Amino acid sequence: SQKIEQNSEALNIQEGKTATLTCNYTNYSPAYLQWYRQDPGRGPVFLLLIRENEKEKRKERLKVTFDTTLKQSLFHITASQPADSATYLCACDNYGQNFVFGPGTRLSVLP
Amino acid sequence: ETGVTQTPRHLVMGMTNKKSLKCEQHLGHNAMYWYKQSAKKPLELMFVYSLEERVENNSVPSRFSPECPNSSHLFLHLHTLQPEDSALYLCASSQELNRGVNTGELFFGEGSRLTVL
Repeated sequence: SQKIEQNSEALNIQEGKTATLTCNYTNYSPAYLQWYRQDPGRGPVFLLLIRENEKEKRKERLKVTFDTTLKQSLFHITASQPADSATYLCACDNYGQNFVFGPGTRLSVLP
Repeated sequence: ETGVTQTPRHLVMGMTNKKSLKCEQHLGHNAMYWYKQSAKKPLELMFVYSLEERVENNSVPSRFSPECPNSSHLFLHLHTLQPEDSALYLCASSQELNRGVNTGELFFGEGSRLTVL
């Protein structure tokens, strides 16, 4: 069955460092992949979308990569700030119909 | 704000009650979704409506009944729920290119936190 894994349930990093979150998928080949941010008690907010023919996508301090050979996406936050602390979700398209979400990684940026 | 409004934000109900969750989107999108988010579990897709027709129902128990009267409104009617149904219920909308084909981002509401006693 289709499965999405995110590298760790929680990740702590020091302010100013680069946070790297991992999303791995198995048993299917998404044409695109999305990353969302979710704060406690609130709905997820879309951050970035990357297509299978794109190796890398950037938006301000955010960078996403998509490696279809490794079946993996990496999500980077450079110069991290305490305000970046949140849960980050990856979502893969399900053969063009809707999305399957990973369990999320809770990022804490320590001052 | 995201343009997707959910009410109520919090709901406590007994197992024999009947209640409804409401979602309204102001983005002009043509697809709406209900997701369930339980602690320590990924978001689970429950229902999808495209152009007001239900296109997907992921084996959701019949005690959950969706309704989409128009492209801007979505309801989730609840009856005889179980304590394990306690969760955050999220509504989302998106713009579909074709029926069932969605390449756009999802816009989520803030969710309705449901507690079943």
